Amino acid sequence: QVQLQESGPGLVKPSETLSLTCAVSAYSISSDYYWGWIRQPPGKGLEWIGSIYHSGSTYYNPSLKSPVTISVDTSKNQFSLKLSSVTAADTAVYYCARHGARGGNYFFDYWGQGTLVTVSS
Amino acid sequence: DIQMTQSPSSMSASVGNRVTITCRASQGVSSWLAWYQQKPGKAPKLLIYAASSLQSGVPSRFSGSGSGTDFTLTISSLQPEDFATYYCQQANSFPLTFGGGTKVEIK
Repeated sequence: QVQLQESGPGLVKPSETLSLTCAVSAYSISSDYYWGWIRQPPGKGLEWIGSIYHSGSTYYNPSLKSPVTISVDTSKNQFSLKLSSVTAADTAVYYCARHGARGGNYFFDYWGQGTLVTVSS
Repeated sequence: DIQMTQSPSSMSASVGNRVTITCRASQGVSSWLAWYQQKPGKAPKLLIYAASSLQSGVPSRFSGSGSGTDFTLTISSLQPEDFATYYCQQANSFPLTFGGGTKVEIK
């Protein structure tokens, strides 16, 4: 059973960088799947942030206002999210999840439990 | 970007009712659509992929249909554990996009 677990600071100051890591267990991150980040502001819907393949190939959501970087560390079987110059609008529950690697299979079948990140001074 | 529009945004229903939620894509996504269920404080759970394929372990009272731009999620007989928010997501191309959600509440 694939397991994903987010970790990182729960509070980030405005204009600073939000950094989260997703540890994957019971499955190799080097398999034929993409690994993605999705966020959900309190009381609102889901927003895809971006995804990464084990080769380092990435896709990002162009509508995000804050610069985004997603990286992968295959030796640790984990991937990470950095969101720069955050504002209060970046306050959300952040989820990591897995999706297929081919068009049509870009649905998320395994999710982490989510971690709340609050942007506040 | 492909915009996903769900309707209704909320609804109330009774146990045993048949419930239908619709999702419309701003451009065709073939059959590449997924449905998720989310309960408060929990991560979304995949119910349906490829418009009509039931994810393993999901009860058969859930079904999906549609192709192109118009899709539906049907719960044939609503159970107490089905009260939740449901989201559609186009799985066809990047950027991946979700519908705004449909909250199903107890009547």
